[in-house]
Amino acid sequence: DQQVKQNSPSLSVQEGRISILNCDYTNSMFDYFLWYKKYPAEGPTFLISISSIKDKNEDGRFTVFLNKSAKHLSLHIVPSQPGDSAVYFCAARNLAPLVFGKGTRLSVIA
Amino acid sequence: DGGITQSPKYLFRKEGQNVTLSCEQNLNHDAMYWYRQDPGQGLRLIYYSQIVNDFQKGDIAEGYSVSREKKESFPLTVTSAQKNPTAFYLCASASSGRLYEQYFGPGTRLTVT
Repeated sequence: DQQVKQNSPSLSVQEGRISILNCDYTNSMFDYFLWYKKYPAEGPTFLISISSIKDKNEDGRFTVFLNKSAKHLSLHIVPSQPGDSAVYFCAARNLAPLVFGKGTRLSVIA
Repeated sequence: DGGITQSPKYLFRKEGQNVTLSCEQNLNHDAMYWYRQDPGQGLRLIYYSQIVNDFQKGDIAEGYSVSREKKESFPLTVTSAQKNPTAFYLCASASSGRLYEQYFGPGTRLTVT
């Protein structure tokens, strides 16, 4: 039973355009959501987070949107840069260790 | 420099041998975690510990064991009972006040033949 789903295994975007990565969840008790970025053969690095009491959080080129009624969150990267090419993991928490999605591989094409 | 170290980066073992993966942190974090990453599987939790001398099983604990004798250290032993041990293993830590923000080590690639 996958509580956090990233339905797109991969995404290709042109440099300078917007990248939108999506994540759906099933557990309405999740109170915190995070995005991690991972390069091959390295550990994930924390990117941005959002509390369930908010619907948007912005940090530079990265914005996370949360739609609680739809149990959906998305990560927007604007403008996309070649260095953004990585695997992005969505994660969620409810009083316990984080639950991770399977990841979306983003390729930003110059 | 504060951070999490995992050693070695690459590890090779023969089938049937136990192997211990090292994880050390100097961030003064209370909680530590072990994950396994397989292609297309995301990150799956093996074990976690929120305090010294205490730990809990994650989603895929079978064939693994851990100890938490020191706050800084959380070694993972992959036993011969683990049926598919070849994987990328990631250790993470978090402070008790912000358990939702985990910091990851660089990972260890274990290959068992």
